[in-house]
Amino acid sequence: GNSVTQMEGPVTLSEEAFLTINCTYTATGYPSLFWYVQYPGEGLQLLLKATKADDKGSNKGFEATYRKETTSFHLEKGSVQVSDSAVYFCALRAGGYQKVTFGIGTKLQVIP
Amino acid sequence: DVKVTQSSRYLVKRTGEKVFLECVQDMDHENMFWYRQDPGLGLRLIYFSYDVKMKEKGDIPEGYSVSREKKERFSLILESASTNQTSMYLCASSLHSGTVPHYNEQFFGPGTRLTVL
Repeated sequence: GNSVTQMEGPVTLSEEAFLTINCTYTATGYPSLFWYVQYPGEGLQLLLKATKADDKGSNKGFEATYRKETTSFHLEKGSVQVSDSAVYFCALRAGGYQKVTFGIGTKLQVIP
Repeated sequence: DVKVTQSSRYLVKRTGEKVFLECVQDMDHENMFWYRQDPGLGLRLIYFSYDVKMKEKGDIPEGYSVSREKKERFSLILESASTNQTSMYLCASSLHSGTVPHYNEQFFGPGTRLTVL
């Protein structure tokens, strides 16, 4: 079956530090990959996505590249802010199905 | 502005009670989903619906049922609540992609934190 693996954290960084959150996946076929973000007290919202190999998704300074050879979709940001503190979920959608498989979520804490 | 609303942010119920969680979306989406979110387990799909009166089991349907009588509303029902159903429940909706297997973003509500005593 499909699965997504990411560390739970928390990841604690100082403001302006470089961020990497690793995500690897297992899926049949050629899945679409996503990062969702959940700010405190809110539901999840789509941060970025990539639908085929070597695609790079980007939004709000965050980037992730779809690497088929390593089955990975790592999230990066060059300089984090306190306002980036949230839980980040890696996810995939395989085939023509509407279902999305989520990772466990990684909590990011950015301190001033 | 697109919106998914859930009937309660916090709910406390007793073991054995029947519990209804309501979700409403105003985007005319065909698909609606119920997840539960638990520490260390992430989001797990309970049920989803791709049309009125249609439903499909997700990964953890045991102990739950759903109802979709209108396109905009999707209800999650706990027939007899138990303490292991204490969790955060998230509703989401998305457009149906039809025969083209491209992704349609899921829009989430703010969640209902249910405590079963």
